[in-house]
Amino acid sequence: GAGVSQSPSNKVTEKGKDVELRCDPISGHTALYWYRQSLGQGLEFLIYFQGNSAPDKSGLPSDRFSAERTGGSVSTLTIQRTQQEDSAVYLCASSLGGASGEKLFFGSGTQLSVL
Amino acid sequence: SQQGEEDPQALSIQEGENATMNCSYKTSINNLQWYRQNSGRGLVHLILIRSNEREKHSGRLRVTLDTSKKSSSLLITASRAADTASYFCATDTGTASKLTFGTGTRLQVTL
Repeated sequence: GAGVSQSPSNKVTEKGKDVELRCDPISGHTALYWYRQSLGQGLEFLIYFQGNSAPDKSGLPSDRFSAERTGGSVSTLTIQRTQQEDSAVYLCASSLGGASGEKLFFGSGTQLSVL
Repeated sequence: SQQGEEDPQALSIQEGENATMNCSYKTSINNLQWYRQNSGRGLVHLILIRSNEREKHSGRLRVTLDTSKKSSSLLITASRAADTASYFCATDTGTASKLTFGTGTRLQVTL
């Protein structure tokens, strides 16, 4: 596609429910990233996929968070048993090859609200 | 964890004035990038400066990098109301394009 697409744009859920957030990167981009941004804060790295390599999961805050990238394209971030502190904007980005110095292209994010 | 801290956290100026934002980071880097974010959603890349560069220009943007002080600055000249946004610095350490972002500066440009 023309840009990074994320869905849904907004998600309201109840505490304890599971949610899935989707990211469709730019076609041909082999690197994909998930970040989280709490209200008024900077971006917190969550996970990074590069081609067929094992993902860098070093930013996932707990084992309730997981992510997959199927076929080297679409990625899904899953949060199980959501908590109120999970409320944030979840941003996905992609880049061409994952090399140092590449610029990231961001989607518009998913605003997650956990009630 | 966040690599960088930005200063000031918020900046309000009038249209036509220059805006300067500073970023400090903690570890050695390979590249530093600046991004802009409107309305708390997607970020847009503005400019990249490599660790062996000291200054870079792009249109009304000027970026400097001082690796000895682990700091960078972004200057926006002749600001416009449309420049109102949050600005973030982001660094990579050279092994991959994974970026670590700073805390951001909220810029408000008034008419």
